[in-house]
Amino acid sequence: NAGVTQTPKFQVLKTGQSMTLQCAQDMNHEYMSWYRQDPGMGLRLIHYSVGAGITDQGEVPNGYNVSRSTTEDFPLRLLSAAPSQTSVYFCASRQGGYYGYTFGSGTRLTVV
Amino acid sequence: QQQVKQSPQSLIVQKGGISIINCAYENTAFDYFPWYQQFPGKGPALLIAIRPDVSEKKEGRFTISFNKSAKQFSLHIMDSQPGDSATYFCAAIRNNAGNMLTFGGGTRLMVKP
Repeated sequence: NAGVTQTPKFQVLKTGQSMTLQCAQDMNHEYMSWYRQDPGMGLRLIHYSVGAGITDQGEVPNGYNVSRSTTEDFPLRLLSAAPSQTSVYFCASRQGGYYGYTFGSGTRLTVV
Repeated sequence: QQQVKQSPQSLIVQKGGISIINCAYENTAFDYFPWYQQFPGKGPALLIAIRPDVSEKKEGRFTISFNKSAKQFSLHIMDSQPGDSATYFCAAIRNNAGNMLTFGGGTRLMVKP
């Protein structure tokens, strides 16, 4: 049982490049989310999904796209990377009810 | 608008002491309140959580106290150990509104030996 798996763990991008951060969970959780964590800013919600085919914006969605074609996968796409997107990105999933979210180990992204 | 406010931002406690972290929320529609522990370079890990119809929950050395009328809840770490040194986040979830997790700002705890 792997939980929530994020790849890659580290990535360096040049300004303007695009990339996809992968997130997969094997717990059959209905709810999935993406967060970014910046020093002094805590964790901020980027996008979330309440089930396959259903996504919505969080607090800081600009510059990011998501899709959820299966229950297991929830990739985050950076359309045109900017230095302001340098951050640590966490994916999380939850089954609903009275359970907390399970987080992945994160992707550390640097945009130069 | 910060919906979950957490204090203090940092905390230093001697080994064996009690660490107390406080949170306050604004939205009465929140219906689940988890606490997360995060070590450097790692993702947040669920530590303990409480429903608003419960006033206290204890798991080992960790206790959540919940005051629904005051819209406040707190984490108590008894017999604090150097291994407890980490950043702690309180959070709140609305089950009927996207299940979004709203975090407090975090508390960096250092337990001195």
